[in-house]
Amino acid sequence: DADVTQTPRNRITKTGKRIMLECSQTKGHDRMYWYRQDPGLGLRLIYYSFDVKDINKGEISDGYSVSRQAQAKFSLSLESAIPNQTALYFCATGSQGFTGELFFGEGSRLTVL
Amino acid sequence: AQSVTQLDSQVPVFEEAPVELRCNYSSSVSVYLFWYVQYPNQGLQLLLKYLSGSTLVKGINGFEAEFNKSQTSFHLRKPSVHISDTAEYFCAVRPNTGNQFYFGTGTSLTVIP
Repeated sequence: DADVTQTPRNRITKTGKRIMLECSQTKGHDRMYWYRQDPGLGLRLIYYSFDVKDINKGEISDGYSVSRQAQAKFSLSLESAIPNQTALYFCATGSQGFTGELFFGEGSRLTVL
Repeated sequence: AQSVTQLDSQVPVFEEAPVELRCNYSSSVSVYLFWYVQYPNQGLQLLLKYLSGSTLVKGINGFEAEFNKSQTSFHLRKPSVHISDTAEYFCAVRPNTGNQFYFGTGTSLTVIP
């Protein structure tokens, strides 16, 4: 099983619908991140969390919200989806240790019609 | 503030030829440096990282990168590429005083048979 699991892997929805993307991890990391990937723009940070009680906005948080239900679970919500939120979304985790590298899930491809 | 520039968005190269993917960064503080690879329909995997010490870093799959502090660069190299190296490559930095990662826009490497 993957260390960082994202569900759903693919989702097509309509404008105005509420969407939730879920992420769970078995790495025991305290830090979790949501990124958005668009062609030519690379990865942009939406939200990040360093523990259950700590939530921080990234560079493109407008239109998104998150919930850290437990150390291992971090969900991303689009309250009212719009077409320009069509993208590939990645969850990542990281430890507090010195190396501090990120470990990524396989991505959730969201299409908003 | 930090920024990462990947100078080439697409790099085509023939099989068994050498390749260099360029990465420059800007930061007011010292940084840790990373290269990630994204194979089609997969998440990002760590190729290599520079934390301190020797400026020449060796990673997986025969890749290496050299940190040049004066030129603020961290170029990725491989002496002989294979078809299986076809992927998207991302350079990233993390300030040694912070917890956020900053990604470049990616370089698409295509290995031609």
